Amino acid sequence: AQSVTQPDIHITVSEGASLELRCNYSYGATPYLFWYVQSPGQGLQLLLKYFSGDTLVQGIKGFEAEFKRSQSSFNLRKPSVHWSDAAEYFCAVGAETSYDKVIFGPGTSLSVIP
Amino acid sequence: DADVTQTPRNRITKTGKRIMLECSQTKGHDRMYWYRQDPGLGLRLIYYSFDVKDINKGEISDGYSVSRQAQAKFSLSLESAIPNQTALYFCATSSMGRELFFGEGSRLTVL
Repeated sequence: AQSVTQPDIHITVSEGASLELRCNYSYGATPYLFWYVQSPGQGLQLLLKYFSGDTLVQGIKGFEAEFKRSQSSFNLRKPSVHWSDAAEYFCAVGAETSYDKVIFGPGTSLSVIP
Repeated sequence: DADVTQTPRNRITKTGKRIMLECSQTKGHDRMYWYRQDPGLGLRLIYYSFDVKDINKGEISDGYSVSRQAQAKFSLSLESAIPNQTALYFCATSSMGRELFFGEGSRLTVL
């Protein structure tokens, strides 16, 4: 069965500082991996996804993530955070087999200090 | 029009009432999901369906039921609502386990 952990419940960074949000997954085969963002009062928006190929993936809003199979990780990074990045971030794992579904981590809440 | 539409967007009801949340999609996806979001708990999967004849329980299916009326429609029912079912509910669709496309959410309050 799939599972996803996000070790950091809440992170606070200063505007302009770099950001890394951690995500670890458990899955027996090659997973599909996703990062979603939810701004306050909004629905979920896909930031980026990994299916196969290059393990460093670029997403929207200047975000990137790196898939490390040996560490079962898919950490999200941004070199310089903007105040508008304050939101809830969710890592998720899925697969291309018939009976797998997409499972979400508990989320990391990001606060940005001006 | 949104690709994934949820109705109602907001609902306040009383304990013991039957509630149905509806979801329809125009993306042509085979897979549909219902998630529940609670503060600090992220999104938890309630039910999912890979086609009209395939319904599966998720992590937290107790107290809920679903119906896949057509490929494009997937409804979530609370037969007898209780206060701890107060939450934000999301419907989502995907194709072959790939990225999810979410509706805008249905906020349910059970008094």
